[in-house]
Amino acid sequence: DVKVTQSSRYLVKRTGEKVFLECVQDMDHENMFWYRQDPGLGLRLIYFSYDVKMKEKGDIPEGYSVSREKKERFSLILESASTNQTSMYLCASGSYGYTFGSGTRLTVV
Amino acid sequence: TQLLEQSPQFLSIQEGENLTVYCNSSSVFSSLQWYRQEPGEGPVLLVTVVTGGEVKKLKRLTFQFGDARKDSSLHITAAQPGDTGLYLCAGSLKAAGNKLTFGGGTRVLVKP
Repeated sequence: DVKVTQSSRYLVKRTGEKVFLECVQDMDHENMFWYRQDPGLGLRLIYFSYDVKMKEKGDIPEGYSVSREKKERFSLILESASTNQTSMYLCASGSYGYTFGSGTRLTVV
Repeated sequence: TQLLEQSPQFLSIQEGENLTVYCNSSSVFSSLQWYRQEPGEGPVLLVTVVTGGEVKKLKRLTFQFGDARKDSSLHITAAQPGDTGLYLCAGSLKAAGNKLTFGGGTRVLVKP
C-alpha cells in the first residue's frame, strides 16, 4: 500500500526552538508538498518541491524553510518556532491526485 | 476570500437522509478533486473530475463538475455514520502550475 509517512503525530515545542518535521513517501513521486491546516482557514500551502534540491514558496512561507536532499524525503523546518505556528501540518505527494500523510499536530508553547 | 468556496460549512443530518455539498469559484479549473478527512488523519482522495459536465459515482456518492468547470457538487444518498468527516474540494489551475488550491471544507455529521 502506497504511503506518505510523517515522523511525528504530536509535537510540543517551546517558542524559539528550531523544529524539524519529516516526511517520507514510497511512491517515487517527484512532487511533494507541505500544508498547514487551521480551523476556518482550510489547507494552506507552505512550500512545495518538484524535484530533489528544488523548492518553491507556497502561499504562506514566512517563518518556514524546507529541505529535499533525496526524492523520497521532504523536510519542513521552523527556524524559530512561534505560538502562531501551532497547527496541524500535512505532507502530501503526487501530481493530479495527492496522497497525504496522517499529519503532525504541533503545539508551540 | 478563498478561491474555492464550499457550502455549507457544517451539515448535521440523520442516517438515511441525503445531502449535497457545493464547491464554487469564479475561476476555471483544469480539474477538480474531492477529499474526505477523518479526525486525526490526512485527507484521502475520493475522486477527480476533469471534463465540464462530468458526473462520477462512487457507491452512494455522486460528484458533478460544472459545465464551465468553475463549480462542483458532491451528493450523498442515504447517508451513513461512516460518511461523517470533513469534505474538501481542491482545484487545479493551469496558471498555478497545476498545484491544488483547497476549499475551506464542509464538516458532515451523520447521526445514527
